[in-house]
Amino acid sequence: DQQVKQNSPSLSVQEGRISILNCDYTNSMFDYFLWYKKYPAEGPTFLISISSIKDKNEDGRFTVFLNKSAKHLSLHIVPSQPGDSAVYFCPHPTRSNDYKLSFGAGTTVTVRA
Amino acid sequence: ETGVTQSPTHLIKTRGQQVTLRCSSQSGHNTVSWYQQALGQGPQFIFQYYREEENGRGNFPPRFSGLQFPNYSSELNVNALELDDSALYLCASSPDTYGYTFGSGTRLTVV
Repeated sequence: DQQVKQNSPSLSVQEGRISILNCDYTNSMFDYFLWYKKYPAEGPTFLISISSIKDKNEDGRFTVFLNKSAKHLSLHIVPSQPGDSAVYFCPHPTRSNDYKLSFGAGTTVTVRA
Repeated sequence: ETGVTQSPTHLIKTRGQQVTLRCSSQSGHNTVSWYQQALGQGPQFIFQYYREEENGRGNFPPRFSGLQFPNYSSELNVNALELDDSALYLCASSPDTYGYTFGSGTRLTVV
């Protein structure tokens, strides 16, 4: 099965500054990549996605970058807000055109006021 | 009906018992998946159903089983509960795309 690695278990950032979350994957045979956010006592919620044919996708304060040659995905949040404090996951399908998601351990973001 | 609803929200069971967790998906969401999230880890895929048929399974033993019903509800059954089964169980549904909607989960504690 594919592996997703989020090497930073936690990130603390000042309100208004940029949050950068990183994700490395081992297989590039996917049509898309995803970011999910999870608050305590809630299920993960879809945040933003990027097609494998693109290298950048932007949605408001959230921008995802894809570097296929490096097999690296990143999420930028600018400016960070206290409500962004959550656990962030970069799950991806376990096979192309397959809807099952493989999750890493996640990165806990804390935005300080 | 919108959203994914899971019940119960919390549950305490004794080792060796059996448990059934329930999920109500959005109308038209033909795909439903179940995930187990242990403390400090990401969700781990248990299995997936598409139009009432299981079409994928993760690395979980057969005592984890499921059902999907025509009314877009589903169940996760776990037999012979073990202490390590204590986790948050998440249900996710999708209208055949990657846009999964997750429920808030059922927190199962096995004592």
